[in-house]
Amino acid sequence: DVKVTQSSRYLVKRTGEKVFLECVQDMDHENMFWYRQDPGLGLRLIYFSYDVKMKEKGDIPEGYSVSREKKERFSLILESASTNQTSMYLCASSLQGGAETQYFGPGTRLLVL
Amino acid sequence: QKEVEQDPGPLSVPEGAIVSLNCTYSNSAFQYFMWYRQYSRKGPELLMYTYSSGNKEDGRFTAQVDKSSKYISLFIRDSQPSDSATYLCAGGKPGGSYIPTFGRGTSLIVHP
Repeated sequence: DVKVTQSSRYLVKRTGEKVFLECVQDMDHENMFWYRQDPGLGLRLIYFSYDVKMKEKGDIPEGYSVSREKKERFSLILESASTNQTSMYLCASSLQGGAETQYFGPGTRLLVL
Repeated sequence: QKEVEQDPGPLSVPEGAIVSLNCTYSNSAFQYFMWYRQYSRKGPELLMYTYSSGNKEDGRFTAQVDKSSKYISLFIRDSQPSDSATYLCAGGKPGGSYIPTFGRGTSLIVHP
């Protein structure tokens, strides 16, 4: 079974802090994604990566950056957290060249005070 | 207009009922269709995957795609309280960005 893990289930941070969210997948997937999910807005794509050291902006990249130094690991960075970044953050991975079937991690609920 | 539309619900049904969850989509290029189930405060898990039109059955779950009307359905037979969750549908295009387009989800409540 594909397993996608996220470093934290719950995080509480203060405005202005730098926040790191880490995602690891164990199925050698090329593609990795970061979404945020908010009530009424559904899943919104922040960034994605097709390969190591590659990154592409999604629909809402402002205020975020990412890092992919190893194939299995994809990090989301909030350079200076703001209250409007309070959300559920979901990491996903998928196999390149196959269907667009994504496998999700358990999510990180981030609260920015 | 979003590319994939779902009624957010909640849809409330008694245990044992047949549940019908539906999506419409606008992008004719979609060939892959997925249903995800998401329990409260958890990540979505892949429930069903279908390619092009037709039906696919897995236990109590049946996914149906009608490309002529751009309509996706998920049927749940003999619904259980453990089926209470949000169901997300998604469509994807072949050979391209490998990023599916998700609906916003329908909340299902199955009460005993």
